[in-house]
Amino acid sequence: QKEVEQDPGPLSVPEGAIVSLNCTYSNSAFQYFMWYRQYSRKGPELLMYTYSSGNKEDGRFTAQVDKSSKYISLFIRDSQPSDSATYLCANSLGETSYDKVIFGPGTSLSVIP
Amino acid sequence: DVKVTQSSRYLVKRTGEKVFLECVQDMDHENMFWYRQDPGLGLRLIYFSYDVKMKEKGDIPEGYSVSREKKERFSLILESASTNQTSMYLCASTGFGAQESYEQYFGPGTRLTVT
Repeated sequence: QKEVEQDPGPLSVPEGAIVSLNCTYSNSAFQYFMWYRQYSRKGPELLMYTYSSGNKEDGRFTAQVDKSSKYISLFIRDSQPSDSATYLCANSLGETSYDKVIFGPGTSLSVIP
Repeated sequence: DVKVTQSSRYLVKRTGEKVFLECVQDMDHENMFWYRQDPGLGLRLIYFSYDVKMKEKGDIPEGYSVSREKKERFSLILESASTNQTSMYLCASTGFGAQESYEQYFGPGTRLTVT
């Protein structure tokens, strides 16, 4: 079993839709949960960073962590064509700032105008 | 707004060549990382460094080495390039910014093709 799993998609939605991106993980020791956005031919960009269970909101983006079921989600409200990218979830033990970050394979999202 | 730069965006090398990939960050971050990214496999950690002259193996260090002589620069070396090292190589740095907020930035990546 991979440590972090995502449905690779592609996921295609109309502009303005609410997007739900999901990720599961296997190591219950993970404490930090991240979402990255990666545009084609670019490096990943850290979008959201949450500690332990709960929700975190930043503009149109909401990250949700459920440690009991080892499930994390990213919701995008009022999706825009500029949100079209690959979204990577990642986890870390978080004991030090150089702790290994385990990435999922990413979900490709297309927002159609 | 330059944060992490990589020496080349695209590189084509022949099997057996020695290849150097350079990464420079301007945020005074302590930690630097080299990943490779392949379709369906996600990002896999090759090596990382948490201080000058310090290095630690990641998940897939075989066939690679690294050098960190200065805090801002982290080099990845392919001692003898092979075709299975054809990949996108990404450098990243992490540290703590203002108010101890966690920061992480990736470079734009180097797409290496070994023929």
